[in-house]
Amino acid sequence: GQNIDQPTEMTATEGAIVQINCTYQTSGFNGLFWYQQHAGEAPTFLSYNVLDGLEEKGRFSSFLSRSKGYSYLLLKELQMKDSASYLCAVKDSNYQLIWGAGTKLIIKP
Amino acid sequence: GAVVSQHPSWVICKSGTSVKIECRSLDFQATTMFWYRQFPKQSLMLMATSNEGSKATYEQGVEKDKFLINHASLTLSTLTVTSAHPEDSSFYICSARSGGEFQPQHFGDGTRLSIL
Repeated sequence: GQNIDQPTEMTATEGAIVQINCTYQTSGFNGLFWYQQHAGEAPTFLSYNVLDGLEEKGRFSSFLSRSKGYSYLLLKELQMKDSASYLCAVKDSNYQLIWGAGTKLIIKP
Repeated sequence: GAVVSQHPSWVICKSGTSVKIECRSLDFQATTMFWYRQFPKQSLMLMATSNEGSKATYEQGVEKDKFLINHASLTLSTLTVTSAHPEDSSFYICSARSGGEFQPQHFGDGTRLSIL
């Protein structure tokens, strides 16, 4: 079966750094997406990785290792508005997007 | 760029009513649109994928006659929940993508549907 694993919930402090991990087992791989979703709102696209390595975009970075079936989203200089769920999604060999359950990130002052 | 507008944002109606939800890509042409539903504290569940001018492809377990999808143009897709019942109450989200498979999906703001 296809599976995306990410922690259910994480807590971090304002101004700190947090890393949200995502591991996947899918039939094929055609890219990995990270989305941010605030409570009661629709997801917002954050990043896309298809090759191994780190993609940096402002305070957010996303890393991919295809051989390990592993990705992480790194958030720096955390702000209270970063409190949200972060969804990892993988596109499989059929180009179907397989969604993780999301990681709820709680930022404390 | 890549703005997707979804209306209405909130619907409360009686059981047996049909509800139409619109999804529009405002500044790009959406070759493919997706409809999801999401229950509280759960991830997105894909209901169907639609390409402009062709019939939607429904996921297993999603009733085609219950959830009617029309993708009439490159900027508009509609989802009609026919004869809605309380168990259809959920958060429905559309997304749109232009170009090929490697492009990200851009989401509308979602529609919270409550059936009394």
